[in-house]
Amino acid sequence: DQQVKQNSPSLSVQEGRISILNCDYTNSMFDYFLWYKKYPAEGPTFLISISSIKDKNEDGRFTVFLNKSAKHLSLHIVPSQPGDSAVYFCAASAWMDSSYKLIFGSGTRLLVRP
Amino acid sequence: DSGVTQTPKHLITATGQRVTLRCSPRSGDLSVYWYQQSLDQGLQFLIQYYNGEERAKGNILERFSAQQFPDLHSELNLSSLELGDSALYFCASSVEPRDRGHGYTFGSGTRLTVV
Repeated sequence: DQQVKQNSPSLSVQEGRISILNCDYTNSMFDYFLWYKKYPAEGPTFLISISSIKDKNEDGRFTVFLNKSAKHLSLHIVPSQPGDSAVYFCAASAWMDSSYKLIFGSGTRLLVRP
Repeated sequence: DSGVTQTPKHLITATGQRVTLRCSPRSGDLSVYWYQQSLDQGLQFLIQYYNGEERAKGNILERFSAQQFPDLHSELNLSSLELGDSALYFCASSVEPRDRGHGYTFGSGTRLTVV
């Protein structure tokens, strides 16, 4: 039962253009959504998050949009840079069984071409 | 270097065997989380410890167990290994037991291959 889904395993974008990574979720109990970035041979690192009471959060070149009615969120990277090439994980947090649980999607591999 | 140390980085073992994965959390962090990433899968939450006590359980098999020691390092024990246990195992740590994910610091993982 995948509660957080990233349906695109990979994405290729030209440097300078916009990268849009998508994520869908099923559990209405999620109250925070996060994006993590992972380089090869490293662990995931936190990138940006959004509360379920907001619909947009921006941090520099990164913007996350949340559409609660559609249970969909997206990460926009503008402009994309070659150093952004990595695997991006969408994650959602909910209070379950006396603790916050962080549920991850399967990841999208982004390649930014010079 | 994230500050979370996982050893070993790579492990190859045979089916039926038992292995122990080790995690030293970032200095000051009291919570430790274990995740499993199988091929083309997301990170599956296994278990959380806070200051030596089990805090939350995820999809952890009965063949797997974990503990957190007084010095806060944690070990994940995997026994009666099967081919399907081959995966990347990540450890993360955070200060708060109720961290929503913002404060997670991940190690670089242990790649387990069962042959």
